[in-house]
Amino acid sequence: EVQLVESGGGLVQPGRSLRLSCAASGFTFDDYAMHWVRQAPGKGLEWVSGISWNSGSIGYADSVKGRFTISRDNAKISLYLQMNSLRAEDTALYYCAKDITSSPGGYFDYWGQGTLVTVSS
Amino acid sequence: DIQMTQSPSTLSASVGDRVTITCRASQSISSWLAWYQQKPGKAPKVLIYKASSLESGVPSRFSGSGSGTEFTLTISSLQPDDFATYYCQQYNSFSRTFGQGTKVEIK
Repeated sequence: EVQLVESGGGLVQPGRSLRLSCAASGFTFDDYAMHWVRQAPGKGLEWVSGISWNSGSIGYADSVKGRFTISRDNAKISLYLQMNSLRAEDTALYYCAKDITSSPGGYFDYWGQGTLVTVSS
Repeated sequence: DIQMTQSPSTLSASVGDRVTITCRASQSISSWLAWYQQKPGKAPKVLIYKASSLESGVPSRFSGSGSGTEFTLTISSLQPDDFATYYCQQYNSFSRTFGQGTKVEIK
């Protein structure tokens, strides 16, 4: 059974940093691209970032470019999101999602349950 | 970036109704479109991929159509379990975009 378990969320002050993690199981992690998607309270889904199976291809939404960094460790079967210079508008539930392809070119067939990030003073 | 526009934003319907949701892309995305269902407090679940292909395990009352810039999700006979929010998503470009969502409510 495919499982994606996010962690690392919490309350953080504006301007500070946070690192999210996503632990994967139930599939061959290094065969697939992975993504982060967020959902602000009561709002819709927003794609944040994606990374190919070998970290050779990476992309970001304009709203986080230059502040967030996606990475993965295939040996540890984990995906990460380093979030710097956090803003109030980054407050959201952050989901980890599995791509159906190895390059970030497909839809998302599995999602975690999310980790909540709240940016507030 | 490719913009995705869904309509309507909210839809009130009764059990047994035929329901159609529309999604428009700001430029052609061929058939690289997926539909997701999200229930309160839960992660999204994929229903349709490549515009019209039914994901394994999804009931056949769900169907998708369209290509280029115009797409639809149809629920042929709405069931109590289908009251949820639906999102379209393009995957034509690396930078994925979602529609703003359509909430299907009980009439």
